[in-house]
Amino acid sequence: DGGITQSPKYLFRKEGQNVTLSCEQNLNHDAMYWYRQDPGQGLRLIYYSQIVNDFQKGDIAEGYSVSREKKESFPLTVTSAQKNPTAFYLCASSIGWTRGEEAFFGQGTRLTVV
Amino acid sequence: DQQVKQNSPSLSVQEGRISILNCDYTNSMFDYFLWYKKYPAEGPTFLISISSIKDKNEDGRFTVFLNKSAKHLSLHIVPSQPGDSAVYFCAAQRLTGTASKLTFGTGTRLQVTL
Repeated sequence: DGGITQSPKYLFRKEGQNVTLSCEQNLNHDAMYWYRQDPGQGLRLIYYSQIVNDFQKGDIAEGYSVSREKKESFPLTVTSAQKNPTAFYLCASSIGWTRGEEAFFGQGTRLTVV
Repeated sequence: DQQVKQNSPSLSVQEGRISILNCDYTNSMFDYFLWYKKYPAEGPTFLISISSIKDKNEDGRFTVFLNKSAKHLSLHIVPSQPGDSAVYFCAAQRLTGTASKLTFGTGTRLQVTL
């Protein structure tokens, strides 16, 4: 079955620690995205990548870092510089350039800073 | 600067009646608009999209209407079913030279009652 997998589903982190969220897709999609969802807010774009070895900052990239060494994988690191990291994180992928293409989302990772 | 707005945080509709979810945008350069449905603790799933050159797109019980002059779009669900109860996100897409990222609204929670 093709799909996009995020792990873990729940993650707890101590203040001051970096943590990496995993995102893997086997849809052969070129584009991958990371979004953050907070209560009462829409999905806000953190980083996106249109092709391997290339990525761009989204609207709220500060305190986050990504890599895109493989087409299938787009891990997100939440660094200690992120002021308010507790949120629901969503990874998505899309074919890339098809006009109006929809993005396929993973099930999300809920990160809690304790 | 919220480029995509969903001004109604919640909507309650009786089963069998029509649900109308609204979305406004400020950027006249958007090329496509998409609607996503999201259940709690899950990733959003794509519902329907519309090109900025169209004014209507229909898919089964779901119809999206676009009024470019008013920068307004709406999603109609007819007839509404209890399984439609979820949060609905409106998203807009601008196709630039190297990016096709989605900008999301804040969502509307739809509850379909028996």
